[in-house]
Amino acid sequence: SYELTQPPSVSVSPGQTASITCSGDKLAHKYAFWYQQKPGQSPVVVIYQDNKRPSGIPERFSGSNSGNTATLTISGTQAMDEADYSCQAWDSNTVVFGGGTKLTVL
Amino acid sequence: EVKLLESGGGLVQPGGSLRLSCAVSGFTFSSYAMSWVRQAPGKGLEWVSAISGSGTNTYNGDSVKGRFTISRDNSKNTLYLQMNSLRAEDTAIYYCAKQVSGGGNSGYFDYWGQGTLVAVSS
Repeated sequence: SYELTQPPSVSVSPGQTASITCSGDKLAHKYAFWYQQKPGQSPVVVIYQDNKRPSGIPERFSGSNSGNTATLTISGTQAMDEADYSCQAWDSNTVVFGGGTKLTVL
Repeated sequence: EVKLLESGGGLVQPGGSLRLSCAVSGFTFSSYAMSWVRQAPGKGLEWVSAISGSGTNTYNGDSVKGRFTISRDNSKNTLYLQMNSLRAEDTAIYYCAKQVSGGGNSGYFDYWGQGTLVAVSS
């Protein structure tokens, strides 16, 4: 079955750029989606179709997808961005989520 | 305003059954595919099942095939998940989520419910 691999944790200083990767076989052939989840809350999509931002998502969130890796980039990271981030893709009529990455802003 | 409200969670013994419901409002329910996504305590998201807007097509994750059944009643704007032969590893918060497409096997989840907790234990 298809798998998406994310680093368990990423740390970033306030104001710096955070990059969270999501790896899967030929992932660039699929669309990648990214969700943010804060403690006790439901997930919220922050990037869809590799690099599109839903309305209401700050411009500091961006995405890319090339080769085997999709990347979520948060520029000028703020304390409010501290959360778990999960990537998602479709493979053979099934949804696959990455294991999630805890972003710590310190 | 889009709203998704899950119900039906609770404590159940291994081997038991439970039916979850998700009542929705704020959009044309029959036009959109829906999914159930779960999250075990302290773990990541795991997709469970999806159903097309018409209800004609369903898709299931490997871990629940043959045990869980997704369905919908478009006249009641309600999504269901019938869970049978429950195991300890099914313990999780179960979210219903609206997909942006109608077909059931594409797109992303633009709205999520608040989740309902299912605990499988003796």
